[in-house]
Amino acid sequence: DAGVIQSPRHEVTEMGQEVTLRCKPISGHNSLFWYRQTMMRGLELLIYFNNNVPIDDSGMPEDRFSAKMPNASFSTLKIQPSEPRDSAVYFCASNPPRLAGGYEQFFGPGTRLTVL
Amino acid sequence: GENVEQHPSTLSVQEGDSAVIKCTYSDSASNYFPWYKQELGKRPQLIIDIRSNVGEKKDQRIAVTLNKTAKHFSLHITETQPEDSAVYFCAAPIPNDMRFGAGTRLTVKP
Repeated sequence: DAGVIQSPRHEVTEMGQEVTLRCKPISGHNSLFWYRQTMMRGLELLIYFNNNVPIDDSGMPEDRFSAKMPNASFSTLKIQPSEPRDSAVYFCASNPPRLAGGYEQFFGPGTRLTVL
Repeated sequence: GENVEQHPSTLSVQEGDSAVIKCTYSDSASNYFPWYKQELGKRPQLIIDIRSNVGEKKDQRIAVTLNKTAKHFSLHITETQPEDSAVYFCAAPIPNDMRFGAGTRLTVKP
C-alpha cells in the first residue's frame, strides 16, 4: 500500500483565492482526520470522519473552511477565501477500524500551504 | 472529553544521556497510549505504543511506562543520539478520535 496520499505537496496562493487540499486514505481504513500544524499552535485537529460521515468539526476555524468525504477513498479540505493566517502544513491521517484493534494513525506527507 | 498534557515543551540533552517526556490524560477509559516522532519537515510517525493492560513496554533504546492510577505515561529514550532530535507527541484515544499532546522538541547535542 502506498500509504496516505495527499496532494498537492506544496501550494502557494494569493489571499482571497480558493484552495482545495486532497487526501486518499489507506484502503480499508474507516476513519480520516484533517490536521493543521503551525509553530505557534502545534498540531490541531480540524475535523474527522468515520465511515465517510463527519463526526466532529469543532476544530474547523471558521466558515471559510469546509471538508467533504464523498466516498471511502477520497476527502477534500477547502478554504474559501484563503487568508495569510491559513499558512500552515495540513496533514491528513487515517486509521483502521477500532473494532479490528486499529488505533495507530497513519499520516500523509502533508500539504504545505502558503497564502501570500 | 479527553485532555492530554505533555511536558516539557522543549528538552535538550547531551548525546548519550537519557531523555524523559511525560504526559497526563484525563479520561480513565482510555486504553491505548501511543508516542509519535516528527522529524523536521516530515510527518508524525508512530514509534511505540502501550495498551492499558501492561505497565511498561520497551523497544531497543525507547520505552514507555504507564501508570493508570495516576493517569500518566512517559517516554524514555536511553543513550540518545543526534538522530533522536525531533518533536515527540503523546496521544490518547477517545471514541473514533485521538487527542495529541502539544509536543516536546528534543535536541540531542553531539
